[in-house]
Amino acid sequence: ILNVEQSPQSLHVQEGDSTNFTCSFPSSNFYALHWYRWETAKSPEALFVMTLNGDEKKKGRISATLNTKEGYSYLYIKGSQPEDSATYLCAPPNDYKLSFGAGTTVTVRA
Amino acid sequence: NAGVTQTPKFQVLKTGQSMTLQCAQDMNHEYMSWYRQDPGMGLRLIHYSVGAGITDQGEVPNGYNVSRSTTEDFPLRLLSAAPSQTSVYFCASSAREARSEKLFFGSGTQLSVL
Repeated sequence: ILNVEQSPQSLHVQEGDSTNFTCSFPSSNFYALHWYRWETAKSPEALFVMTLNGDEKKKGRISATLNTKEGYSYLYIKGSQPEDSATYLCAPPNDYKLSFGAGTTVTVRA
Repeated sequence: NAGVTQTPKFQVLKTGQSMTLQCAQDMNHEYMSWYRQDPGMGLRLIHYSVGAGITDQGEVPNGYNVSRSTTEDFPLRLLSAAPSQTSVYFCASSAREARSEKLFFGSGTQLSVL
């Protein structure tokens, strides 16, 4: 199981502001990185699966970048809205196992 | 389209009881897995399967058993429930092995062991 660190653990952002947070993972033997969004009382939902160094993915106001050489990925939320409040999980696969970080919990204040 | 279906949604057990959490998917996914979610610890992999007849252990397999007799079903058995197994359990599947394919999660089973 890979060591995955997400920071910060939680953050509060004012509605309309943008924010970003980090996922750090081992850079050796990199295969892919997953990002999931997990709203309270729901199940995690996939945002992105990223495989290439320098890759950037976007879904609405949420985007992610990937640096496989140094072992980190950033997730950005532009113009945060209350519906963006959730825990965001990253997970690099290790063989057939997906190792989830503890997540960054984002609370958007109206 | 049902996706990944987990039953039951809630369960209370006494210490020492056994039970099976059911998971079924209708997407013809090869890969299925079970996670448990505990406060402050994120999602931890219990067992996974890369296809019918093939299962393997994850990060926290002790006290759990799985089988994969069909592509659709991946039940999780608690052999003798312990209070440490109080958790929320999620089943997840993906089209192929989980490395490059996104996981689809079930709605979860909240289990309490008294």
